[in-house]
Amino acid sequence: ELKVEQNPLFLSMQEGKNYTIYCNYSTTSDRLYWYRQDPGKSLESLFVLLSNGAVKQEGRLMASLDTKARLSTLHITAAVHDLSATYFCAVCPGGNQFYFGTGTSLTVIP
Amino acid sequence: NAGVMQNPRHLVRRRGQEARLRCSPMKGHSHVYWYRQLPEEGLKFMVYLQKENIIDESGMPKERFSAEFPKEGPSILRIQQVVRGDSAAYFCASSPRIIDRGNTEAFFGQGTRLTVV
Repeated sequence: ELKVEQNPLFLSMQEGKNYTIYCNYSTTSDRLYWYRQDPGKSLESLFVLLSNGAVKQEGRLMASLDTKARLSTLHITAAVHDLSATYFCAVCPGGNQFYFGTGTSLTVIP
Repeated sequence: NAGVMQNPRHLVRRRGQEARLRCSPMKGHSHVYWYRQLPEEGLKFMVYLQKENIIDESGMPKERFSAEFPKEGPSILRIQQVVRGDSAAYFCASSPRIIDRGNTEAFFGQGTRLTVV
């Protein structure tokens, strides 16, 4: 069974600090997606990583992909309160569907 | 270009009733996906449809659940004889082509939160 695991599941961090969320997956996939979800809201696309070694940055968030290690990271730099949300990674291993991770609930404390 | 539109946003049904969830994809998108999210969990795939065709329904429960995407109108996820365990958020996503090609993304609607009482 394909598994997509994120850690940590819950993250509480102070404003201004840095942290990394990890996403491991159990099957071959040449692409990986990161989404953000605010409470009661839909999923907002953050990054689409298409190849091994891909790195993308948007504001205080930077995502990377290592397809050989089946690992993606989402790095948060100098966190601010507005980043509080749940972050999901997902893979789409050549099929018709996303397989989502368990989610990381991030709370940034002023 | 409006995003993926789902309605209703909230739906309350008594056990045994039917629930009909609607999803209008983004303009120009002919691929629709339905996902279910239980509280404190990630999204689980249910079904993938193109216009008038079910392509992959491997995530759909065998009974009571059905989906369609007619030539005209929105995609419908139908749950018959709902039970409390059906309470969840149901998300629809759409894409212009199959999502394993290029940098194709899927865009998600705001979801329908179904509560079965």
